[in-house]
Formats: sequence, C-alpha cells, structure tokens
Amino acid sequence: DTGVSQNPRHKITKRGQNVTFRCDPISEHNRLYWYRQTLGQGPEFLTYFQNEAQLEKSRLLSDRFSAERPKGSFSTLEIQRTEQGDSAMYLCASSPTGENNEQFFGPGTRLTVL
Amino acid sequence: AQSVTQLDSQVPVFEEAPVELRCNYSSSVSVYLFWYVQYPNQGLQLLLKYLSGSTLVKGINGFEAEFNKSQTSFHLRKPSVHISDTAEYFCAVSGYGGYQKVTFGTGTKLQVIP
Repeated sequence: DTGVSQNPRHKITKRGQNVTFRCDPISEHNRLYWYRQTLGQGPEFLTYFQNEAQLEKSRLLSDRFSAERPKGSFSTLEIQRTEQGDSAMYLCASSPTGENNEQFFGPGTRLTVL
Repeated sequence: AQSVTQLDSQVPVFEEAPVELRCNYSSSVSVYLFWYVQYPNQGLQLLLKYLSGSTLVKGINGFEAEFNKSQTSFHLRKPSVHISDTAEYFCAVSGYGGYQKVTFGTGTKLQVIP
C-alpha cells in the first residue's frame, strides 16, 4: 500500500496527558499537511511542511501543539496537556511539489480526551 | 483568503435518482476547486478537481461538477445514485501557484434511500 498512513487510528486518553500521532506520507511527496476535523465540520488546516521545514502554522495550533518532520519523511504531531476540546479526528495529507495542490489524505487518528 | 459555503448539510435522495450537491466559494484570486468524499471513519478521497480548461469536470464513481465563474459555484452532480454513495462530501478551494492552503466547506451528508 503506497498511500498515506497514520498511527494510531484511535487514541483515548485522560485530560492532562500527552499524546503523539505519526503520519507517513506517500514516499515521493515533499509536502505534508495536518488538519483537524471535529464533528459536523470540514477539515481545518493546522500546519504545513515542505520537506523538513514547517512553513505555515494555523492560529488553531496552540502552544500545546507541536509538529515535526525531522528528515523530511514521516511527521509527528504532539499534543501536550490534552483538553477535552482537543477531541477530534486528526488528518494528515501529502502532495507532490507542483502547481495543482491535490492532497492525498490518510485515514486519520481519532482522539478522545476523557 | 478563500472561503467555501456548502448550503445543504444533509441531502436525502432515493436510489437511482439524480442528485446535486451545492458549493459556492469566495476568493479575490483565481482558484483551484476540489470535491472530496469521506466514508465513515475514513480519510478523504478526491472525487474530482478543477484546475483550468473545460468547466465541466468528470470524476470517479460517475460524479461530475461544473465550474461557474460568474456565479462562483462548483456544484457536484450524479445522474443516478447508488446506496454506496452514502457518505459525506466536501467542497474545497485553494489559490493558484506553488503551495496554497486548501480551505474546506462544512460538508454535505448524502443519504441514499433504498
């Protein structure tokens, strides 16, 4: 399977705990994106990487959130001191360098904060 | 900045009937337009995209969409729906050129009734 993969698929945690999600993009894709999707909403942009450089961050990405893509391949999204409002589906997408901006999405990680 | 409005949050339709899902966008610059489908507990899959050229775009699973610049619309249509089309559909927009953030609508749930 050469699509975008995300792990874990589901995560249940208690408020105040830290969680980390992983995204493996399509191997030849330079661009990687993280989105958050809450119930009844479309995906909301969180951050964007071009290779290992984090080039854009949304205001939604508070200080408790950090994302990395250390070698320009896989990426991690960490949430520190989770809150109930962080419960959502976290989606990762990747795209090749180019003009048409078509993004390929992974299956997502569903986070539930109790 | 761009925005997307999906006017219908839910659309029920009988099997084998035609369907239209509406999408309007707002942008001060030229745009690319996309329709994605999301099945329960899955990521998003691209149905079709408009980049340039013919305003009628054909996608997968028998869907098509028409770009109307004067009405700033990109409605999705299918002449005859199947039960398997039951899913949530998202319209999305981005600017031209290099990396441009993709903005999604709030989605339309298509419920196909047997």
